[in-house]
Amino acid sequence: DSGVTQTPKHLITATGQRVTLRCSPRSGDLSVYWYQQSLDQGLQFLIQYYNGEERAKGNILERFSAQQFPDLHSELNLSSLELGDSALYFCASSGVLAEKTQYFGPGTRLLVL
Amino acid sequence: DAKTTQPTSMDCAEGRAANLPCNHSTISGNEYVYWYRQIHSQGPQYIIHGLKNNETNEMASLIITEDRKSSTLILPHATLRDTAVYYCIVRVVADYKLSFGAGTTVTVRA
Repeated sequence: DSGVTQTPKHLITATGQRVTLRCSPRSGDLSVYWYQQSLDQGLQFLIQYYNGEERAKGNILERFSAQQFPDLHSELNLSSLELGDSALYFCASSGVLAEKTQYFGPGTRLLVL
Repeated sequence: DAKTTQPTSMDCAEGRAANLPCNHSTISGNEYVYWYRQIHSQGPQYIIHGLKNNETNEMASLIITEDRKSSTLILPHATLRDTAVYYCIVRVVADYKLSFGAGTTVTVRA
């Protein structure tokens, strides 16, 4: 158990809909990262937040957005969903130690029908 | 980030040591070598990391060559539960992301 929690575990929705994925980092970790894993793309970095502020962006679509709240949990919002958004979405967190090892949550499996 | 090259797959006998190679010939002096594994669509699991010295923890050992152009992850006594995709990643510590390649699919056989 990494200490990172994600909800829900599974999500089934229809094209055009909007969903919110939630992540709670390990206690004390200030950074949260979101990754997407689809069958054809592998694990891809989406976005990072540090102590409530966006720190870095990767291959995140404009239809996707995220935020980190004062209690450090984070939400990833996916809107106007398409079939190709079906994937595993992982959250990771890291602390303030120099080497910033990332620890991953169990993921949310999203299926868009 | 430096790119890494890993074998696509490898088999290992249960109870034997599994040696997973990784080439990272373009690694920079400030890049660490990280190893993660992913067991059947679970979240990637951190295994170990190092800069230039060999490292050991309760899960594995990491051997980095003196020129740092390659490394080997050693699982000392592989079990069936070690069957997973293993990812070798090089990363500047201050960098924000992990860049996952295709990894090595390791199958431990009884």
